[in-house]
Amino acid sequence: DQQVKQNSPSLSVQEGRISILNCDYTNSMFDYFLWYKKYPAEGPTFLISISSIKDKNEDGRFTVFLNKSAKHLSLHIVPSQPGDSAVYFCAAQTGANNLFFGTGTRLTVIP
Amino acid sequence: GAGVSQSPRYKVAKRGQDVALRCDPISGHVSLFWYQQALGQGPEFLTYFQNEAQLDKSGLPSDRFFAERPEGSVSTLKIQRTQQEDSAVYLCASSLYARAQFGEGSRLTVL
Repeated sequence: DQQVKQNSPSLSVQEGRISILNCDYTNSMFDYFLWYKKYPAEGPTFLISISSIKDKNEDGRFTVFLNKSAKHLSLHIVPSQPGDSAVYFCAAQTGANNLFFGTGTRLTVIP
Repeated sequence: GAGVSQSPRYKVAKRGQDVALRCDPISGHVSLFWYQQALGQGPEFLTYFQNEAQLDKSGLPSDRFFAERPEGSVSTLKIQRTQQEDSAVYLCASSLYARAQFGEGSRLTVL
């Protein structure tokens, strides 16, 4: 049973525009959420995170929004750059316990 | 090195062979996780250590899979009598509190 879901397997965006990647979860005990970025033949690299006590966290071009009532989070990338093309994984955890991952969204930024 | 190191990066095994995959976590990281990532899927949790204690092994798919971390540092994931469905990338991650950092993975192909 998938506790973290990314329903869009792929997304294409023009360079300079906004990319919005979505993630839904089912377990209300999750208190920390993370986004990882993965290039082919590499391990996932941490991108940005948010605690459940917040509803927004921003780091440069990347912003994560959390809507706890809807059990939904999203990653916004503005402006999108070709180097952002990768697979993005949403993950959630309770405390320092194991991470539950979504199935990923492949982002392609078109120059 | 500064990151999580995994070896071998690539392993080809004949069906029925035993394999051992090694993970060198970041020095001082208490938590260590193993994940299995099949093609086109997100990482699936296998097992979790806190220091040398294996706190959760609920994700191990069968009793052919065994993991250990005897001194609370290096960990080994062993797969006995490999089957074709074991073919995947095996990811190791370590963390101190949150924001698990991943290694590059070990790609196992079972022929």
